[in-house]
Amino acid sequence: QKEVEQDPGPLSVPEGAIVSLNCTYSNSAFQYFMWYRQYSRKGPELLMYTYSSGNKEDGRFTAQVDKSSKYISLFIRDSQPSDSATYLCAISYSSASKIIFGSGTRLSIRP
Amino acid sequence: AAGVIQSPRHLIKEKRETATLKCYPIPRHDTVYWYQQGPGQDPQFLISFYEKMQSDKGSIPDRFSAQQFSDYHSELNMSSLELGDSALYFCASSLGHNNEKLFFGSGTQLSVL
Repeated sequence: QKEVEQDPGPLSVPEGAIVSLNCTYSNSAFQYFMWYRQYSRKGPELLMYTYSSGNKEDGRFTAQVDKSSKYISLFIRDSQPSDSATYLCAISYSSASKIIFGSGTRLSIRP
Repeated sequence: AAGVIQSPRHLIKEKRETATLKCYPIPRHDTVYWYQQGPGQDPQFLISFYEKMQSDKGSIPDRFSAQQFSDYHSELNMSSLELGDSALYFCASSLGHNNEKLFFGSGTQLSVL
């Protein structure tokens, strides 16, 4: 079993829709949770970084962590075609340890 | 702002050849991480260095080796290349072990024929 599982894509939604991306993880020892965005042939770019359960909001993006169910989510409001990319959830044991990535969800926003 | 620089951007090799990938971290960053991303796969952690010393090791094959130099740039050396080594290799850097401030390069696309 992989340490982090991510909903498979591809996911296609119309412009302006709310997008929900999800991951589950297996080990409750993971404490740090991230969402990365990756455009084709580019390196991952950090979108959201959270520690502990709860919500964190940054503009149109909201990251949600539920440690009791080992479930993390990323919500994108008012989605734009420029949001079309692969979104990778990621976890780590500490702020200083290696990052373990999910397999990614390819998202396409239709104009 | 300066970013993580990787070279070359593309590399084509044949089986059993060797390859060297280079990574130049963001200025003043002292920690470098290497990741391998196969087609349609998630990035897999290979190895990391902090202050020129290996700090963590992941799923790096014995055929691969890496080091970090005094100017903090890093090189990933790959020998006896196999078809399965074809992937996008990313380098990331941070100041100290701080994955909140981790920045990735654009990667080196290695194709083994």
